[in-house]
Amino acid sequence: QKEVEQNSGPLSVPEGAIASLNCTYSDRGSQSFFWYRQYSGKSPELIMFIYSNGDKEDGRFTAQLNKASQYVSLLIRDSQPSDSATYLCAARRGGGAQKLVFGQGTRLTINP
Amino acid sequence: SAVISQKPSRDICQRGTSLTIQCQVDSQVTMMFWYRQQPGQSLTLIATANQGSEATYESGFVIDKFPISRPNLTFSTLTVSNMSPEDSSIYLCSVRNRDEQFFGPGTRLTVL
Repeated sequence: QKEVEQNSGPLSVPEGAIASLNCTYSDRGSQSFFWYRQYSGKSPELIMFIYSNGDKEDGRFTAQLNKASQYVSLLIRDSQPSDSATYLCAARRGGGAQKLVFGQGTRLTINP
Repeated sequence: SAVISQKPSRDICQRGTSLTIQCQVDSQVTMMFWYRQQPGQSLTLIATANQGSEATYESGFVIDKFPISRPNLTFSTLTVSNMSPEDSSIYLCSVRNRDEQFFGPGTRLTVL
């Protein structure tokens, strides 16, 4: 079982709709969770991170964390064609361990 | 956030040679990381480089193959030694700034 799992997609969403990206993790020691956006040929760009159960909103993006279910999600409201990219979920353990462990990424396409 | 630059941005090398990748950050950071992203894959951590201590390598990566230097809080190098075509990949420098983690633009390496 991979530490961080994502559906590789592709996920197709019509423009203006809500895109929902999901991620599960196996290590209960994971404390912080990150969402990155990666355009083809570019490096990952941090969207947001979350470490408390519940929702965290930043503009059109909402991250949701449920530690009991070991589940993290990212919602993108009013999806735009420019949101078409691969979205990477990552987890970081607490304590002295500092590294991020990444999922395989979900490819999202927003259709005009 | 942190502004990260890498040199070179890309290179084509012959097997058996070595390439040193430089990473420069615009602010002092304690933790720097080197990742590899093979074509169509997610990110894999090679090693963590903290200033003033030896780099910590992940399983499957060894110092003889990927020597790392961290002479100060704004700079690090990763050398890919005795290269083979399997080393063709994108190599990414990453830094942690408080709770966030950012990536450089990457170095695209092709080994012939």
